[in-house]
Amino acid sequence: GESVGLHLPTLSVQEGDNSIINCAYSNSASDYFIWYKQESGKGPQFIIDIRSNMDKRQGQRVTVLLNKTVKHLSLQIAATQPGDSAVYFCAENRNDYKLSFGAGTTVTVRA
Amino acid sequence: SQTIHQWPATLVQPVGSPLSLECTVEGTSNPNLYWYRQAAGRGLQLLFYSVGIGQISSEVPQNLSASRPQDRQFILSSKKLLLSDSGFYLCAWSAGAGTEAFFGQGTRLTVV
Repeated sequence: GESVGLHLPTLSVQEGDNSIINCAYSNSASDYFIWYKQESGKGPQFIIDIRSNMDKRQGQRVTVLLNKTVKHLSLQIAATQPGDSAVYFCAENRNDYKLSFGAGTTVTVRA
Repeated sequence: SQTIHQWPATLVQPVGSPLSLECTVEGTSNPNLYWYRQAAGRGLQLLFYSVGIGQISSEVPQNLSASRPQDRQFILSSKKLLLSDSGFYLCAWSAGAGTEAFFGQGTRLTVV
């Protein structure tokens, strides 16, 4: 079964505010994590990844934090924009060719 | 640059009919290839993956099969569709273990 899950299925955020999307995983052997964004009717798009030897990684307006002690992963989006409205998935890889996905969090940005 | 093509975008098929969805990757050699299914409002379930021509691993027992006749071609098939086969099917590729996967645009399959 899936070993990756998200804390909340939905998140509503005011435009301009920061968003935080959380994800918990159960397999301590997981060593690679990815965040994907999926817009309606489209395939998931890669946002940012992080390996288990890191606890933080930053991209453009996004930051991923990894807490291996509590097996928790989060995605922070700065200054959320209407175009950020989508479903966000965390995915886990255990260096075995397979990515396991969580159920997703739907982010809705309020104008 | 690498691209992945998946078609058709939408498909409506009657119960009991066959299925063939095709996925091709360009701009890379020997990719790992994947078929995922996504039920409405749900996460992605891995159906099959392939690390080379003719090498198929099945993740869940089901009414579907996969084949990889060429290095950059991955096909999802069924001999007789069931209503429960309806869903959003996604093909993906990755360069290897521990790397990100890149997805196609998906096929919305409705079995009626």
